[in-house]
Amino acid sequence: DTGVSQDPRHKITKRGQNVTFRCDPISEHNRLYWYRQTLGQGPEFLTYFQNEAQLEKSRLLSDRFSAERPKGSFSTLEIQRTEQGDSAMYLCASSFSTTRTGNTIYFGEGSWLTVV
Amino acid sequence: AQKITQTQPGMFVQEKEAVTLDCTYDTSDPSYGLFWYKQPSSGEMIFLIYQGSYDQQNATEGRYSLNFQKARKSANLVISASQLGDSAMYFCAMREARYQGGKLIFGQGTELSVKP
Repeated sequence: DTGVSQDPRHKITKRGQNVTFRCDPISEHNRLYWYRQTLGQGPEFLTYFQNEAQLEKSRLLSDRFSAERPKGSFSTLEIQRTEQGDSAMYLCASSFSTTRTGNTIYFGEGSWLTVV
Repeated sequence: AQKITQTQPGMFVQEKEAVTLDCTYDTSDPSYGLFWYKQPSSGEMIFLIYQGSYDQQNATEGRYSLNFQKARKSANLVISASQLGDSAMYFCAMREARYQGGKLIFGQGTELSVKP
């Protein structure tokens, strides 16, 4: 499978615990995005990387959230001291970098987080 | 201000009939791209179709076509000959060229149910 893969697909954690999600983008893509999606809503942008550089972070990304892409390949999204409001699906996506608006962003299947 | 508006939370269509899902957008950027994604219950966002702001013709991809009315700032998705497998959430999204990262802004989605 050469698509975007995410792990784990489902995570249930207790409030206050830390969780980490991993994303493996399509291999030749140098841009990687993280989105968050809650029930009944469209995905909301969190952050993106071009290669290993994190170039933009949304205001939605509180200090408890940190994302890395150390070698410009896979990425991790860590949430520290989880809160119930963090319960959502976390989507990873990747694309080529280009000035063309039509460059497609491909998504993974998402990682569902439930904080109890 | 809402950049992408999808006014139909839910739609029903009879199998084999055509259906139109509405999307309006708001931008001052002359260069932008509009996308439609399908999200089945499994969670993955599946790219369907793209329309660039400078494209002269409406985009088509198999049973999907995009009714692009630039002056009205609308980009409606038309699905012809609906199939039971088309039942899913559908999201309209926009990318503005002025944002270097190329992130997508999503609407709230329309849930499509295809009746046999």
